[in-house]
Amino acid sequence: GQQLNQSPQSMFIQEGEDVSMNCTSSSIFNTWLWYKQDPGEGPVLLIALYKAGELTSNGRLTAQFGITRKDSFLNISASIPSDVGIYFCAGAAFGAGGTSYGKLTFGQGTILTVHP
Amino acid sequence: NAGVMQNPRHLVRRRGQEARLRCSPMKGHSHVYWYRQLPEEGLKFMVYLQKENIIDESGMPKERFSAEFPKEGPSILRIQQVVRGDSAAYFCASSPFMGLQQGGTGELFFGEGSRLTVL
Repeated sequence: GQQLNQSPQSMFIQEGEDVSMNCTSSSIFNTWLWYKQDPGEGPVLLIALYKAGELTSNGRLTAQFGITRKDSFLNISASIPSDVGIYFCAGAAFGAGGTSYGKLTFGQGTILTVHP
Repeated sequence: NAGVMQNPRHLVRRRGQEARLRCSPMKGHSHVYWYRQLPEEGLKFMVYLQKENIIDESGMPKERFSAEFPKEGPSILRIQQVVRGDSAAYFCASSPFMGLQQGGTGELFFGEGSRLTVL
């Protein structure tokens, strides 16, 4: 089956620093998504990417869909304490009819700790 | 994540008992997905349902697990004769359309999860 390798597994940074994490896949995905999960909560979508090469920003977050369709990265600039949490990449491949329904493959997650 | 309601939030069962997890999708959403998250791992797809139909159950274990989304009422994930390895967080997500359409937000709205502990 499809697998996503997400790195790093964990990061400990100082408030104000920039953060970068990435995901690679052995197979092609048509959609890349980045989620954040707080303890005891469900994942919340941060950024969605639909086209190879696409670069999308959401506030201090920037994500890119790799040209090969097999990778994506997420950058967080000027980190703040509330950025703490687990960040997941997720990919989806097209199904019948050209749409990719919500059968997502998730990475293992990156645990982010921000020291004030 | 407001709107996708899961219950119970926490469930403790002894080996061999049954676990029933419920999910009410957001208002107007007719597509429901169940995902399982083992400790310190990412979410893994289990099943995709529409009202009264199982569309894709390729991620569901062949035995002991079943899911339904009846015409009326919540979607239910049922685990029979639970074993310790079933201990996990089970997340439900819903969407108003058939998944991630090109050019759309493609967002799946996740619930807060049901955490099953098998003693």
